[in-house]
Amino acid sequence: EAGVTQSPTHLIKTRGQQATLRCSPISGHTSVYWYQQALGLGLQFLLWYDEGEERNRGNFPPRFSGRQFPNYSSELNVNALELEDSALYLCASSLEGRTHYGYTFGSGTRLTVV
Amino acid sequence: AQRVTQPEKLLSVFKGAPVELKCNYSYSGSPELFWYVQYSRQRLQLLLRHISRESIKGFTADLNKGETSFHLKKPFAQEEDSAMYYCALSGASGGSYIPTFGRGTSLIVHP
Repeated sequence: EAGVTQSPTHLIKTRGQQATLRCSPISGHTSVYWYQQALGLGLQFLLWYDEGEERNRGNFPPRFSGRQFPNYSSELNVNALELEDSALYLCASSLEGRTHYGYTFGSGTRLTVV
Repeated sequence: AQRVTQPEKLLSVFKGAPVELKCNYSYSGSPELFWYVQYSRQRLQLLLRHISRESIKGFTADLNKGETSFHLKKPFAQEEDSAMYYCALSGASGGSYIPTFGRGTSLIVHP
């Protein structure tokens, strides 16, 4: 069984540009979560998608957005990139929006804004 | 609001010594609590969850609702336990389950 896959592995962008990160959940998982892991700050919750809808978002500005496709894969878009957006972005998936069994994480996309 | 606190950024022990990684939480309902581990150059992975009352790789964690704690323990640390450990809480807020992680504790086990 394939795990949670994220692409690209690394992404370098210039300040002001837009970044698009992609995530494919484990087969059968309908919920996708996005986290930002910045140095020294741990994991900060960004967005949660389930059944194609945004269910919740963390304390991030609107330039962080995303969507979930019918096959449950997801995109995270970051507009008007700022230097402090440089971080590891992790995607996780779970069954049906409940975290009873915990989350399964991808290996992340390292975004560097220069 | 829910919050997870891991008071130690770094915990350094010698092989064979007992280990306790602290986790305290703030949540008004019945939480679901987890420990995740991230070994060097590997992805973050679930270590254990309180509902299953299991022992994984010699680690155990007991939910203490009175002290609102979920500390991770191992009686004899091994070098391969060196990793970053995150405590996580899943609770309902406004009908949605909002996952919250602590900032993590780096465990270093010296030979």
